[in-house]
Amino acid sequence: GESVGLHLPTLSVQEGDNSIINCAYSNSASDYFIWYKQESGKGPQFIIDIRSNMDKRQGQRVTVLLNKTVKHLSLQIAATQPGDSAVYFCAEISSGGYQKVTFGIGTKLQVIP
Amino acid sequence: DSGVTQTPKHLITATGQRVTLRCSPRSGDLSVYWYQQSLDQGLQFLIQYYNGEERAKGNILERFSAQQFPDLHSELNLSSLELGDSALYFCASSPSQTGTGNTEAFFGQGTRLTVV
Repeated sequence: GESVGLHLPTLSVQEGDNSIINCAYSNSASDYFIWYKQESGKGPQFIIDIRSNMDKRQGQRVTVLLNKTVKHLSLQIAATQPGDSAVYFCAEISSGGYQKVTFGIGTKLQVIP
Repeated sequence: DSGVTQTPKHLITATGQRVTLRCSPRSGDLSVYWYQQSLDQGLQFLIQYYNGEERAKGNILERFSAQQFPDLHSELNLSSLELGDSALYFCASSPSQTGTGNTEAFFGQGTRLTVV
């Protein structure tokens, strides 16, 4: 029979262009955020993190922006390459007592050569 | 290779059965996390152990349980299995509890569980 799967938002980007992947989080008390990349058949891989007392953090070819006012997180990938094709997840972590980790559903990035 | 080892890679079992998934964290990592990734719900945090003690709990069903042993490996036990439990189960490890210092978590390749 037919399988029913999660319909992930998909972003198609031309190779060499910049990509922006967005994530809305739910808990204003979250104090830490992580972006993960998951390639087909593999486990999620850490890309970059940011604490709630920051609004921007840069890594190699990636930048994470945090807007706490509207509870929005974005991942910018510069000069997107075919190897960047994957599903990207954001995760929000709230500490204090039992720490809680919540993942977004993910965005599928397709890089067009 | 992340250094996190999960066994088995694939598991097929019948409804009502019980299975145990195993995770060996990276050498020196004290925290182990379990996640479920199903087709209809994305990645869900289940539970975290730190140095043998439960530290954080997510959306883990009562039919599921986990433990971390003195050698820091962890097992996730799933019982009274239902069709909806079919998913990828990931384990991740990190050196410390999330929120302090280097909090990067490294994921294993996952165990694909199919309940028929």
